[in-house]
Amino acid sequence: SQTIHQWPATLVQPVGSPLSLECTVEGTSNPNLYWYRQAAGRGLQLLFYSVGIGQISSEVPQNLSASRPQDRQFILSSKKLLLSDSGFYLCAWRGSSYNSPLHFGNGTRLTVT
Amino acid sequence: AQSVTQLDSQVPVFEEAPVELRCNYSSSVSVYLFWYVQYPNQGLQLLLKYLSGSTLVKGINGFEAEFNKSQTSFHLRKPSVHISDTAEYFCAVSDAGDMRFGAGTRLTVKP
Repeated sequence: SQTIHQWPATLVQPVGSPLSLECTVEGTSNPNLYWYRQAAGRGLQLLFYSVGIGQISSEVPQNLSASRPQDRQFILSSKKLLLSDSGFYLCAWRGSSYNSPLHFGNGTRLTVT
Repeated sequence: AQSVTQLDSQVPVFEEAPVELRCNYSSSVSVYLFWYVQYPNQGLQLLLKYLSGSTLVKGINGFEAEFNKSQTSFHLRKPSVHISDTAEYFCAVSDAGDMRFGAGTRLTVKP
C-alpha cells in the first residue's frame, strides 16, 4: 500500500533562517506531488505541485521554493523565513489521473519567531 | 480555472441531529468533486468522491453527498451526527493538474 511521510512534525525557526521540509511517498511511482499551506483558521492554499522529476509549478509568488530531486521526494525550502511563513504545511500525492483523490501527510506545524 | 465556495464557515449542531455542509463549485469543464475531513493537527482524510455516474455518493463514517450539476453544488450530509464528527470539512474540485479547496467548514457537535 502507498504511504506518505512528512517531517518534521513541528518546527520553530527564527526570522531570516532557512527552511527545508521533506516529503516522501512509498508504494507508487510517478505520483503528482503537492505542497499546501494552511494558515490558522483558514483553508488550504496550494503552493507548488509537480507532475514529474524537476517539474515544478508555482501558484503563489513568495520566498518559498520547491524541488523534486527524485520521483517520490518533494522538498519545500526557503532561504530566509518571514513571520508570515508561519502555518501548517501539508504534503500530498495522487495518481496521474485527474479523478484520483489526494492523499495527505500528517503535516508540519511551522512557527517563525 | 475551477473554484470552490463553502457557504458556511461554522456549523454548530447537537448530537444525533442531521447536518448539511454546503459546497458550490465553478468550472468550465467536467469536474471531479471530493469531501475531506481534518481533525486537529492532522492531515486531511478523504470522506467521499464524485467521479461520474450516480449523483448520490456514500462515504465513510455515514456521510453522503449529492452532486447537482444544474446548481453546481455538492453538499455533504449526515442524518445523525456524533460528537466524534467534530472537525473541519473541506470540499475540493479537480479538473486538470491540481485540486482546489474551499475555505472549510468547522462542524461542532454539541452534547
